Amino acid sequence: DAGVIQSPRHEVTEMGQEVTLRCKPISGHNSLFWYRQTMMRGLELLIYFNNNVPIDDSGMPEDRFSAKMPNASFSTLKIQPSEPRDSAVYFCASSFQTGEKLFFGSGTQLSVL
Amino acid sequence: GEDVEQSLFLSVREGDSSVINCTYTDSSSTYLYWYKQEPGAGLQLLTYIFSNMDMKQDQRLTVLLNKKDKHLSLRIADTQTGDSAIYFCAESGSSNTGKLIFGQGTTLQVKP
Repeated sequence: DAGVIQSPRHEVTEMGQEVTLRCKPISGHNSLFWYRQTMMRGLELLIYFNNNVPIDDSGMPEDRFSAKMPNASFSTLKIQPSEPRDSAVYFCASSFQTGEKLFFGSGTQLSVL
Repeated sequence: GEDVEQSLFLSVREGDSSVINCTYTDSSSTYLYWYKQEPGAGLQLLTYIFSNMDMKQDQRLTVLLNKKDKHLSLRIADTQTGDSAIYFCAESGSSNTGKLIFGQGTTLQVKP
């Protein structure tokens, strides 16, 4: 298996623009997680899905952030409008089922100028 | 609440043993994990231990769990320069949803 696949690897955009991050979980995994990593705050869980249904989005910073999982093999995290403080590495992770170990993608390095 | 604490930095010489420590708060966590993050990469699952175990050994890695003190450690024997990375401790939390609670990460520097 190719593992969790994220795209793009790097994204540079200007403040106010819409940003869409993409994730393909490992085939057969039922749970998908979006994390954000910054030097100041470390790793933060933004939202997670189980069987394509959002279970906990309490980590989503504000209404500018939204996430979808239209099917078992694809998820998006959208920021609209983006702000410089959104600059971070965004990781997607999946697990076979909740409570099982997580497998992470390589991340998307987002820079908002 | 759930919280995981780690020291931020550890420096060792190549060939020595490294011990990275972690404390956690949720005694009902079923699993405790160690992840490794190399520069520019995602987190890689290194090893994990089930909460009813005291020790787990996997080649150069030894995980020790003290449930009474809520203390977890990762020992790397014969540390190599390729082991230089950030090591994250994580607990599964009481709900076992897979919503891992991560520590801040310990940067391991291995000097030749």
